[in-house]
Amino acid sequence: ETGVTQTPRHLVMGMTNKKSLKCEQHLGHNAMYWYKQSAKKPLELMFVYSLEERVENNSVPSRFSPECPNSSHLFLHLHTLQPEDSALYLCASSQEVTPAGSPLHFGNGTRLTVT
Amino acid sequence: GQQVMQIPQYQHVQEGEDFTTYCNSSTTLSNIQWYKQRPGGHPVFLIQLVKSGEVKKQKRLTFQFGEAKKNSSLHITATQTTDVGTYFCAAFNAGGTSYGKLTFGQGTILTVHP
Repeated sequence: ETGVTQTPRHLVMGMTNKKSLKCEQHLGHNAMYWYKQSAKKPLELMFVYSLEERVENNSVPSRFSPECPNSSHLFLHLHTLQPEDSALYLCASSQEVTPAGSPLHFGNGTRLTVT
Repeated sequence: GQQVMQIPQYQHVQEGEDFTTYCNSSTTLSNIQWYKQRPGGHPVFLIQLVKSGEVKKQKRLTFQFGEAKKNSSLHITATQTTDVGTYFCAAFNAGGTSYGKLTFGQGTILTVHP
């Protein structure tokens, strides 16, 4: 499935670096999400965007900064990360963002390692 | 906040055996979704259950939503090596107002020995 594309697939960065994760969806969906997946922990929702407007910010540290320039693109800007931020970062999209629950379509993820 | 407990954490089966994973919540859920993540892959949507007592089938997979809408299960009949992966449940809280805020279970890692 190539409906949601994430780049890069792997990223190694030092704690003082600035990097960005990119996500693009080709499904015509109105909602996009960033999730963090760490070993032995449930998927953690970080941010939700609906039609380019942020509708949910799940108490994420300010060293993670999302950007949604249009309904097809989503970025996660990273700055001054900590080693515990190492994880798989998953982008997802859905038709709508409502409590009724449109299915999520996930990208392949970016495997981030902070050294 | 809402928590969704998923058990077991790991399940090892011999090919051909059945497998079941359970998802439990202390609060009433508006709906529940199930996802599968292959090793090295990303979660892929399997199904959504909405109605109390609902049962849905996809080939060898049977999904159930409890009568009280507080629990759900995924049962696989006669497992195959292609069933290997992590199975997640994810739920919305009934009456919730947090948009898009699915709560995921911890997942059940299934391994199948040929």
